[in-house]
Amino acid sequence: QKEVEQNSGPLSVPEGAIASLNCTYSDRGSQSFFWYRQYSGKSPELIMSIYSNGDKEDGRFTAQLNKASQYVSLLIRDSQPSDSATYLCAPRGGSYIPTFGRGTSLIVHP
Amino acid sequence: EPEVTQTPSHQVTQMGQEVILRCVPISNHLYFYWYRQILGQKVEFLVSFYNNEISEKSEIFDDQFSVERPDGSNFTLKIRSTKLEDSAMYFCASSEGGGHQETQYFGPGTRLLVL
Repeated sequence: QKEVEQNSGPLSVPEGAIASLNCTYSDRGSQSFFWYRQYSGKSPELIMSIYSNGDKEDGRFTAQLNKASQYVSLLIRDSQPSDSATYLCAPRGGSYIPTFGRGTSLIVHP
Repeated sequence: EPEVTQTPSHQVTQMGQEVILRCVPISNHLYFYWYRQILGQKVEFLVSFYNNEISEKSEIFDDQFSVERPDGSNFTLKIRSTKLEDSAMYFCASSEGGGHQETQYFGPGTRLLVL
């Protein structure tokens, strides 16, 4: 059974702060890792993907991957109220089908 | 920018009825997927489709489900005899390739309510 664990939150941060979202996964065969943002009642929207250990930066977002620890995180710098959403971690293994976590609810308050 | 579209946006049906959910994937994409999300729960994979065949399916995708690509653009999910527990948001997705680094693009979803 492939498990993806995320703190359900809500994680509340003030506007302008750094939001740190964490995810652990059980499938050691996972090769690629995707972070999606999902607004209430909407579909998942890809934020970032990461495939190699280390950090990957894209604008205000940084994904961090540590395959040895089976851990992936997403940092959001200069958080904005529009970042308020649920963030889904989705590792993908040998079958190329992602397994989604339940997501972490982020609230950015002005 | 190309996007995945889905119809209808909402569907209400009676238990035991058949429903067909429709999707138009991005035009140059070759891999198609259906996911569902029960309210308050995680996104769950149902089935993937490539070259007019199912390539993978989950244990959720039992005999009451079927998928079809009836023409060059549409990709459908049929639920033969709906149950109350089929009430969920159904998302279609597509990707250009099937590799583990390929990005899957999600449609806006169809909210299915079974009464």
